[in-house]
Amino acid sequence: GQQLNQSPQSMFIQEGEDVSMNCTSSSIFNTWLWYKQDPGEGPVLLIALYKAGELTSNGRLTAQFGITRKDSFLNISASIPSDVGIYFCAGLRMNRDDKIIFGKGTRLHILP
Amino acid sequence: GAGVSQSPRYKVAKRGQDVALRCDPISGHVSLFWYQQALGQGPEFLTYFQNEAQLDKSGLPSDRFFAERPEGSVSTLKIQRTQQEDSAVYLCASSLSRGLFGTDTQYFGPGTRLTVL
Repeated sequence: GQQLNQSPQSMFIQEGEDVSMNCTSSSIFNTWLWYKQDPGEGPVLLIALYKAGELTSNGRLTAQFGITRKDSFLNISASIPSDVGIYFCAGLRMNRDDKIIFGKGTRLHILP
Repeated sequence: GAGVSQSPRYKVAKRGQDVALRCDPISGHVSLFWYQQALGQGPEFLTYFQNEAQLDKSGLPSDRFFAERPEGSVSTLKIQRTQQEDSAVYLCASSLSRGLFGTDTQYFGPGTRLTVL
């Protein structure tokens, strides 16, 4: 089963607002990934983080790898309608037999 | 197109039927992954191929699930004697790397939505 706690489960915001979501784990991860999934599509990688404390931006998106290696957050600034979708965090321990573990997702809704 | 493609996009099966789901990865990608995504959940790992070798099948939920990639490109996920709990979206992803998970970006297909009645 999944080991990541992602919050909030859903968000309703006005266009132009900033968004913040986070992911926590009871286990240490060596890599944190953030994906976005649109309806009827597969997840698309937004940001990858490989080092504790790392802060990485991709346009209006900013993500950080927590110092404890047990958490990560994603911020979206000045939201626009195309930001609507489901955002997943995912963690990886980078052991040889390990695999990516996904959170349950944060559903972002933008109010008209 | 140049992305990962999956077929069929939708499949409805009666309980007890066998189904086969196909994945065409990006040309030249060495690694191929299958995930199961239940409604309202994140994807969960099923199995992993490096070329034609199935290196990890620890996520397959039962022996009714079988995956193959005989020539190291197209992969098929087969589910025998489908049950209602098998209803989910099955996602395929491929990556260029031969290495550990996550060292290269995984590109996901659109998924096959399986509904078992």
